Amino acid sequence: GQSLEQPSEVTAVEGAIVQINCTYQTSGFYGLSWYQQHDGGAPTFLSYNALDGLEETGRFSSFLSRSDSYGYLLLQELQMKDSASYFCAAGAGSYQLTFGKGTKLSVIP
Amino acid sequence: EAQVTQNPRYLITVTGKKLTVTCSQNMNHEYMSWYRQDPGLGLRQIYYSMNVEVTDKGDVPEGYKVSRKEKRNFPLILESPSPNQTSLYFCASSPGYEQYFGPGTRLTVT
Repeated sequence: GQSLEQPSEVTAVEGAIVQINCTYQTSGFYGLSWYQQHDGGAPTFLSYNALDGLEETGRFSSFLSRSDSYGYLLLQELQMKDSASYFCAAGAGSYQLTFGKGTKLSVIP
Repeated sequence: EAQVTQNPRYLITVTGKKLTVTCSQNMNHEYMSWYRQDPGLGLRQIYYSMNVEVTDKGDVPEGYKVSRKEKRNFPLILESPSPNQTSLYFCASSPGYEQYFGPGTRLTVT
């Protein structure tokens, strides 16, 4: 099975940088995904790492280290609209997906 | 518009009354999945399907059934709902690793 750990809450200042960590324990691993969910909304896909290293998409970057069973999501130039919950997710197989419990990010002025 | 739709969006029902939540996608994705979301527990996978007539259990399948008779549809069936199935349910489809989620169905079982 899969188990993913991430902080429950993070607070950061508008314009700053924040890093949300995710550690995982798995009997099989294909890659690490990140999703964003605003209150009352559906999760939306942010990024996916299958290989070690950093993937950058605009203000968001995601990192994976398979040897450390660790990844993180980096949000730069924080905006108020980035206030949301962020979930890491890992697949045991190609399609079986387990999510972390989520990190609630609050961006303050 | 590419999308995943779910119906109903909100449902209040009583214990034991069979119900079906429909899910449909128009993106021709092979993979579809159902999740439930509960406060403090994140998203937990109920069932997934890799193609028509191919389904498998996720982490929390007890009390649920699914079917995949057509590529675009993946209904979730609760044959005898119980109060512990009160939750927010999401359907998702995927061409690979990126999941596209529906808007959610908020189910209350009294």
